[in-house]
Amino acid sequence: GNSVTQMEGPVTLSEEAFLTINCTYTATGYPSLFWYVQYPGEGLQLLLKATKADDKGSNKGFEATYRKETTSFHLEKGSVQVSDSAVYFCALSVRNTDKLIFGTGTRLQVFP
Amino acid sequence: DTAVSQTPKYLVTQMGNDKSIKCEQNLGHDTMYWYKQDSKKFLKIMFSYNNKELIINETVPNRFSPKSPDKAHLNLHINSLELGDSAVYFCASSQDIGGELFFGEGSRLTVL
Repeated sequence: GNSVTQMEGPVTLSEEAFLTINCTYTATGYPSLFWYVQYPGEGLQLLLKATKADDKGSNKGFEATYRKETTSFHLEKGSVQVSDSAVYFCALSVRNTDKLIFGTGTRLQVFP
Repeated sequence: DTAVSQTPKYLVTQMGNDKSIKCEQNLGHDTMYWYKQDSKKFLKIMFSYNNKELIINETVPNRFSPKSPDKAHLNLHINSLELGDSAVYFCASSQDIGGELFFGEGSRLTVL
């Protein structure tokens, strides 16, 4: 079946530190991959996406590369800010289905 | 204007009661969803509607009944509420199959 596995949190960093949140997936076919972010008290928002192998999604200083050989889509940011504190969800959708499958979410806490 | 709006934002009720959560989207999207997020932030799809027709019904108890009067609205009715129904329920919409989801702010249901 299709599934997403994320590293467990919380991830605690100081401001300006480098961030990596690991995400690996299992899928039949060729999925599209997404990172969503949920700020406290809000719904999820799309952060970035990649639709085919070797694509790199990027937004707000965050990046993730679709690696088919390692079935991974790790989220990275070179220098985090306090305002990046949130829960980050990796997700996939398989072509021609309406269902987005989410990982369990990783909480990021950034301290000044 | 809020793109995807849910009401109520908070709902506290007794076991055995029946309650409804309403959702409206003004994005002109064809597809709407209900997701359940538990206390550990795990997010799981419950239902998906496309142009008022049910297309995804995950293994959800039949106490949960979605209703879509038109493609801009998807309401969720829950009968005979149980303690385990306590969660945050998110409505979402998308234009394309497997495309970006736009989420509402969530409705936190607490069953006592």
